[in-house]
Amino acid sequence: SQTIHQWPATLVQPVGSPLSLECTVEGTSNPNLYWYRQAAGRGLQLLFYSVGIGQISSEVPQNLSASRPQDRQFILSSKKLLLSDSGFYLCAQTGLYGYTFGSGTRLTVV
Amino acid sequence: AQSVAQPEDQVNVAEGNPLTVKCTYSVSGNPYLFWYVQYPNRGLQFLLKYITGDNLVKGSYGFEAEFNKSQTSFHLKKPSALVSDSALYFCAVRDSGTYKYIFGTGTRLKVLA
Repeated sequence: SQTIHQWPATLVQPVGSPLSLECTVEGTSNPNLYWYRQAAGRGLQLLFYSVGIGQISSEVPQNLSASRPQDRQFILSSKKLLLSDSGFYLCAQTGLYGYTFGSGTRLTVV
Repeated sequence: AQSVAQPEDQVNVAEGNPLTVKCTYSVSGNPYLFWYVQYPNRGLQFLLKYITGDNLVKGSYGFEAEFNKSQTSFHLKKPSALVSDSALYFCAVRDSGTYKYIFGTGTRLKVLA
């Protein structure tokens, strides 16, 4: 079965510091991978998606970037965090019939 | 363009009563429709999906949803609500011609004892 590992679970970072959130998947090959942000416990905003190694599509202009160095690895990064980057970040992968989500990372920028 | 609407921010229902959480969608092709549930500080969990076939879809935890093509709706239902059903519910749609899933803004369900 497909499993997504996402870490860390929680993170507190100062404004201006860098960020790296990692997501890895098991049980599938060549998955479509996604990063979502959920602000204030509500709607999900699609940030990036990737259909293969090195292929990244950005959905919204922002302070974040994503990379896919390996087939089952998807990384969300920032060079300098802003207060507005705080939120709950979810990695997801999908086949034809729906998503499997990671357990999420709660990022607080202080 | 794809879109999904969940018109209610919150739904309150008494335990034992039937519940409905509404979702309407817009896609250019054939829709793939999903419901997910989220408990506090957790990732989303899959409840059910509609791809093709019977309009009434049965899912996890006694939930079901009805696909209505003419009304472009996919409302989530349960005949008898439990307090433990209290959570945030998301409807999602994928156009059959794309990779992208679009989520609604979520509906908070509160089941009162």
